[in-house]
Amino acid sequence: KQEVTQIPAALSVPEGENLVLNCSFTDSAIYNLQWFRQDPGKGLTSLLLIQSSQREQTSGRLNASLDKSSGRSTLYIAASQPGDSATYLCAPALYDDYKLSFGAGTTVTVRA
Amino acid sequence: ETGVTQSPTHLIKTRGQQVTLRCSSQSGHNTVSWYQQALGQGPQFIFQYYREEENGRGNFPPRFSGLQFPNYSSELNVNALELDDSALYLCASSSWTGSSSSDNSPLHFGNGTRLTVT
Repeated sequence: KQEVTQIPAALSVPEGENLVLNCSFTDSAIYNLQWFRQDPGKGLTSLLLIQSSQREQTSGRLNASLDKSSGRSTLYIAASQPGDSATYLCAPALYDDYKLSFGAGTTVTVRA
Repeated sequence: ETGVTQSPTHLIKTRGQQVTLRCSSQSGHNTVSWYQQALGQGPQFIFQYYREEENGRGNFPPRFSGLQFPNYSSELNVNALELDDSALYLCASSSWTGSSSSDNSPLHFGNGTRLTVT
């Protein structure tokens, strides 16, 4: 069974700081990993999908890295803004499986 | 492009009742998955439907059942509701080839249905 851990559970930073969100998973036989954003009481918005053959993926101020062999992914958010305040979830997908396994997420607060 | 839509947005039911939640998948998507998210936790996989058949199931009892229709919309049915069924229920759709487990289509989620069981 895939276990996903996200550290820290919560993070509060002043506007403009760079954010580093960590995700670790126990089973490295994944074929991709997605990072999602969730606003309170809302659904999940896909931010980045990084394939197992990739080391990183970038979209605007977001950059996700993947070290499959060590079971780790990191999401970097540059120059944070108050609008980045949300919960961020990572979800690896295993080969020969149909589901995403989620961590509990990191709740980010960016102070103006 | 129409995204994933779920209805209703909120629902209150009494223990022992039955509930049906609905999901319209994103245009062009053929696969629907359902997830349960308890407060403060990550989503947990319930099951997935592809070509109107269940092709994967998480650790949920049989009173959780589903359907996928020819237009790829889907329903989640829960019988004999328990207090612990209170959660946000999320539907996600994707475009899956069905021929490889290495498909890299991202999942697109709806805004969920908040179910409260009293």
